[in-house]
Amino acid sequence: GNSVTQMEGPVTLSEEAFLTINCTYTATGYPSLFWYVQYPGEGLQLLLKATKADDKGSNKGFEATYRKETTSFHLEKGSVQVSDSAVYFCALRGNQGGKLIFGQGTELSVKP
Amino acid sequence: DAGVIQSPRHEVTEMGQEVTLRCKPISGHNSLFWYRQTMMRGLELLIYFNNNVPIDDSGMPEDRFSAKMPNASFSTLKIQPSEPRDSAVYFCASSARDTHNEQFFGPGTRLTVL
Repeated sequence: GNSVTQMEGPVTLSEEAFLTINCTYTATGYPSLFWYVQYPGEGLQLLLKATKADDKGSNKGFEATYRKETTSFHLEKGSVQVSDSAVYFCALRGNQGGKLIFGQGTELSVKP
Repeated sequence: DAGVIQSPRHEVTEMGQEVTLRCKPISGHNSLFWYRQTMMRGLELLIYFNNNVPIDDSGMPEDRFSAKMPNASFSTLKIQPSEPRDSAVYFCASSARDTHNEQFFGPGTRLTVL
């Protein structure tokens, strides 16, 4: 079945450091891929998405490229801020729509 | 728009009691999803509805769990009887048109079963 694996946290960075959170997936067909962010005490918010191979999703300085050849969707940001501290979830949705399948989440902590 | 509304935000109950969680989706959205988040299992889908009809309830853990959507603006998730292992954060999400669009999440209900 479909599944998502992302790097374990917590990840601790200094402000302005470069961020990479790895995400790989297993799926049949052509899934859509997502990154969601969860700030403390809140629900999940969509950060970015990509719906087909080689698409790049971007938002708020974050980027991720849908790589079908490596079945990956790694999240990157060139310069993190303290306000980026949150839990980040990689997710996929099969090509028939419906439910999201989430990775286990990666906690990011950015220190001043 | 007010976003997805969930109530209560926090619930503490004793084992064996009935628990009802409530969700109001974003107006105009026709798909609604219930998720559960725990440290051990992460985020998992329990059930989702399209146009008030349950489509996939394969994630509902057992018969103690039930979900209803009597109309387009309201859904409930009921646990009866509750057990300590049901302690989790329960999220409701909704999306527009068919199930291919972005899911908007509510703030969640943190359930603690003693």
